[in-house]
Amino acid sequence: SQKIEQNSEALNIQEGKTATLTCNYTNYSPAYLQWYRQDPGRGPVFLLLIRENEKEKRKERLKVTFDTTLKQSLFHITASQPADSATYLCALDASGYSTLTFGKGTMLLVSP
Amino acid sequence: DADVTQTPRNRITKTGKRIMLECSQTKGHDRMYWYRQDPGLGLRLIYYSFDVKDINKGEISDGYSVSRQAQAKFSLSLESAIPNQTALYFCATSPGDRRMNNEQFFGPGTRLTVL
Repeated sequence: SQKIEQNSEALNIQEGKTATLTCNYTNYSPAYLQWYRQDPGRGPVFLLLIRENEKEKRKERLKVTFDTTLKQSLFHITASQPADSATYLCALDASGYSTLTFGKGTMLLVSP
Repeated sequence: DADVTQTPRNRITKTGKRIMLECSQTKGHDRMYWYRQDPGLGLRLIYYSFDVKDINKGEISDGYSVSRQAQAKFSLSLESAIPNQTALYFCATSPGDRRMNNEQFFGPGTRLTVL
C-alpha cells in the first residue's frame, strides 16, 4: 500500500521567515497531490493542488513543488505570520477519482 | 450558511449502542466521504459514495455502515459502538469532475465518545 510521510515534529519558525514542509510518498505515482490546512478541532481546508506534470504551483504566499522522481512535494509559506500556525496535511489522489490518502500532517507554529 | 453540515457535533454514547451521524451538503456535489481522525493516525477513509446508487468501502469500514439517502445526504452508522470508535469524524464532498481540482470540502466534524 502507498505510504505518505510528513514530519511528525512541529516546525517552529519566526514571523517573516519562510516555512517549508515536506511530504514524501512511496509505492505509487499519483496523478496529483493536494495540500490542506487544519486548525484544531476543525475540518481540513483545501489550499493547493499540483498535478504530476507540474513542477510548481503558487497561490499568494504559498508555493508547492512536486518532484515525481524523488517522490516528494515541498510546501512553502513565505513571509509567515502567526495566523499561519496550523497543521498542514498532504494527500494523494492515487486513483484519479478523488479517494484521497492523507499524511498525518505537520504542525507549524509561527511565533511573533 | 455552511456548505457541509454534520449532526450532531458532539455525542457521548455507551458501548453497544447504535448511533447515526448525519451529513448534509448544499454544494450540489455528487461525491461524499466519511473519515475518522485519531491523534497520531491522521485522517482515514471509512466509506465513500460517488453518487446516490454508489457505495464503496474505504480503508477502515469494519464496524460501520453508510446510507446515501439523496445526493445531499450521507449518513454513517455504528451498529454497536465500541470504545475504540471514539474519534473525530468528518464528512467531506467533492465535485468529481476530473477537469476540476477535485478538492474536498469538509464539514465541521462530529466528536464521538464511546464509554
